[in-house]
Amino acid sequence: EVQLVESGGGLVQPGASLKLSCVASGFTFSDYWMSWVRQTPGKTMEWIGDIKYDGSYTNYAPSLKNRFTISRDNAKSTLYLQMSNVRSEDTATYYCTRVRYRYNWANWFAYWGQGTLVTVSS
Amino acid sequence: DIQMTQSPASLSASLEEIVTITCQASQDIGNYLSWYQQKPGKSPQLLIHSATSLADGVPSRFSGSRSGTQYSLKINRLQVEDTGIYYCLQHYSAPWTFGGGTKLELK
Repeated sequence: EVQLVESGGGLVQPGASLKLSCVASGFTFSDYWMSWVRQTPGKTMEWIGDIKYDGSYTNYAPSLKNRFTISRDNAKSTLYLQMSNVRSEDTATYYCTRVRYRYNWANWFAYWGQGTLVTVSS
Repeated sequence: DIQMTQSPASLSASLEEIVTITCQASQDIGNYLSWYQQKPGKSPQLLIHSATSLADGVPSRFSGSRSGTQYSLKINRLQVEDTGIYYCLQHYSAPWTFGGGTKLELK
């Protein structure tokens, strides 16, 4: 069974940094592109970016690429999201997702984690 | 970026009613369109992929269709467990973009 378990969320002050993790199990992690998606308190969904199965390539939403960095450790089956200089508008639930097909970039999100809540406030 | 305009934003329908939600893409995205259901307090779950293909385990009362750049999700015979928020997603051209969501409630 595919499982994605996010962690690392919490209350963080504006301007601070935070690193989220997503531990994957039930599949060969190193075969799949992985993405981060966030959902605001108003329920707007936003794709943050993704990373190639071998970690050699990343894509980001243009509005976030200067502050957010996605990485992965295939030996640990773990996906990361490094957030820097966070703002109040970064308050959201952050989900990691896996695409349906191995090695394939542009396909749908077949699996989602349970999410981790990040609240940016002083 | 490709804009996905989803409508309606909210919808109240009766049990057994037929419900339709639409997403209008700002440009051609082919069949690179998927639909997700999010029940209260849960993460989104895949319903439809490739515009018209039902995901594994999804009840057959759900269906997807496409007419040009307009995509529709139809729920036949609405059930209590269908309440929640529905989203479309285009994965034709990065950045991938979601529709604004449709909150579906029972009347």
